[in-house]
Amino acid sequence: ETGVTQSPTHLIKTRGQQVTLRCSSQSGHNTVSWYQQALGQGPQFIFQYYREEENGRGNFPPRFSGLQFPNYSSELNVNALELDDSALYLCASSLAGPMNTEAFFGQGTRLTVV
Amino acid sequence: QQQVKQSPQSLIVQKGGIPIINCAYENTAFDYFPWYQQFPGKGPALLIAIRPDVSEKKEGRFTISFNKSAKQFSLHIMDSQPGDSATYFCAASRAGSARQLTFGSGTQLTVLP
Repeated sequence: ETGVTQSPTHLIKTRGQQVTLRCSSQSGHNTVSWYQQALGQGPQFIFQYYREEENGRGNFPPRFSGLQFPNYSSELNVNALELDDSALYLCASSLAGPMNTEAFFGQGTRLTVV
Repeated sequence: QQQVKQSPQSLIVQKGGIPIINCAYENTAFDYFPWYQQFPGKGPALLIAIRPDVSEKKEGRFTISFNKSAKQFSLHIMDSQPGDSATYFCAASRAGSARQLTFGSGTQLTVLP
């Protein structure tokens, strides 16, 4: 077990709705990254949060947004859901600093948009 | 565009065989190259990682070979077991990016008993 926990594990939403996914990072880690993994593909980087600020973003539209809290947990929000947003959403935590630690992933949230 | 190209897409070996998975990258700013193992319904689990200042790294039955001039790296699994059947992803990140990973497309490995 990595110590990174995500909730919920599964979620079904209707097109056009909004969704919030949550991630608790591993103890001692200050950085959370979010990834989208479509079926049969590799994870795609959405964005990263470091000390409550966005610290890099992949090629995702603004309706994908996030937050990081003082305890380094994080949320991913997706507005105006589309069918193509159906995927496994993964968060990974790490410790950023002079020597970045490895990134450890949670078990993911399976989002289905109908 | 930052890309990591992975091959083969799928691989079947007999128990005890040595599957080899290959990855190639374009961005010379990448300085960290991990491999992840993923079982169905689970998140990726870190197996082993390498930096470009070494050409090989071994951890247990897993070995990464790295060729900086060719911008290629590969994963070898020694004495493979049916329990190694999973999807394997190579990845890369840039210096200073705090592990913002670019993943390959994955290799589905099946180890036959």
